[in-house]
Amino acid sequence: AQSVAQPEDQVNVAEGNPLTVKCTYSVSGNPYLFWYVQYPNRGLQFLLKYITGDNLVKGSYGFEAEFNKSQTSFHLKKPSALVSDSALYFCAVRDPHSSGSARQLTFGSGTQLTVLP
Amino acid sequence: GAGVSQSPRYKVAKRGQDVALRCDPISGHVSLFWYQQALGQGPEFLTYFQNEAQLDKSGLPSDRFFAERPEGSVSTLKIQRTQQEDSAVYLCASSLGGSGGNLGAFFGQGTRLTVV
Repeated sequence: AQSVAQPEDQVNVAEGNPLTVKCTYSVSGNPYLFWYVQYPNRGLQFLLKYITGDNLVKGSYGFEAEFNKSQTSFHLKKPSALVSDSALYFCAVRDPHSSGSARQLTFGSGTQLTVLP
Repeated sequence: GAGVSQSPRYKVAKRGQDVALRCDPISGHVSLFWYQQALGQGPEFLTYFQNEAQLDKSGLPSDRFFAERPEGSVSTLKIQRTQQEDSAVYLCASSLGGSGGNLGAFFGQGTRLTVV
């Protein structure tokens, strides 16, 4: 079974500083990995995904994530945080070789990012 | 519309009442997913449709939950005899692919259900 862990419930960072939101995964094969962001009273918004190819994936709003197969991690990063980046971030995984119930995404429990002015 | 639309945005139901939640996916999207998001948690899979076919309903928590997509577009999630533990945000997502791949799935804003 596939699973995702986001070890930090809360991450605080000062505006202008780099940010990292951590994610580790467990899946039987090569994973498809995603990051979504959720603002209050809004749906999930897609940020970026890793399917294959370069380990460093660039996404929306200046975010990027690095796929590390040996560490089974897919940490989200941004070089310079903005106050408007404050939101709830979810990492998700899907095993592309599975069928049935594994077609869906498995989400982590989320990390609340707060960027302080 | 331009995105996935869900209605109502908020629903308050008395315990034991039946509710119906609607999802309008992006036009032409083959795959449709329902997720349940409890407060402070990540979304959890409920069910998946490919066009009108419900290919996976393994995430539905009980037989009180029922979903349909009769014409392969709009979907309805129905909860019978609601209970307090059903209180959550119900998210709908659609994607273009027919493989159920969730590649770049688009999510609606969700319906927040509160059972009192």
